[in-house]
Amino acid sequence: LAKTTQPISMDSYEGQEVNITCSHNNIATNDYITWYQQFPSQGPRFIIQGYKTKVTNEVASLFIPADRKSSTLSLPRVSLSDTAVYYCLVGISSGSARQLTFGSGTQLTVLP
Amino acid sequence: GAVVSQHPSWVICKSGTSVKIECRSLDFQATTMFWYRQFPKQSLMLMATSNEGSKATYEQGVEKDKFLINHASLTLSTLTVTSAHPEDSSFYICSASGRASYEQYFGPGTRLTVT
Repeated sequence: LAKTTQPISMDSYEGQEVNITCSHNNIATNDYITWYQQFPSQGPRFIIQGYKTKVTNEVASLFIPADRKSSTLSLPRVSLSDTAVYYCLVGISSGSARQLTFGSGTQLTVLP
Repeated sequence: GAVVSQHPSWVICKSGTSVKIECRSLDFQATTMFWYRQFPKQSLMLMATSNEGSKATYEQGVEKDKFLINHASLTLSTLTVTSAHPEDSSFYICSASGRASYEQYFGPGTRLTVT
């Protein structure tokens, strides 16, 4: 089964831009790509969602290339409170089935 | 945004007993609800998907007789862990989505510890 992969961890300093990429080679044709933030012992919190090209909201941007086999979450000017685990969520085609799959998660640590 | 609650937020039970976890959508009608399990320092693993009024669809490797899911109304789904064992100890998270949305709204999670 194809996986949805992300870097295990990233470190950044306050005020920097952070880009986290998720690789999803077998993304289902009609599926959206969604990114979540999770703090310890809490449920994931929605950040942004997109289907193709670029999406921007008040907290992040999402870049999706034409082949949709990857996506990049961009967090502008991170702060200490952005330290969390970030997950992508996509539907992955597996034969004739579609399986909702969370990425492996990226632990972002923002340093002062 | 839409709010999803879970109850209880944590529970400790003895091996062999059953535990029920509730998931409620507070301000929208959830046509689909999802149940996930998350072990420490791991990603969320989808256990099952349920649509209101119909049987849940379980992911491969998830025992439907052990993890009973009921989605009797558009605002409530329950997960019952039957004959719990210590290896069932985990963080269980539900999510819900409405008719016109691809977005899943997640609950705060339930920490289950089986002794």
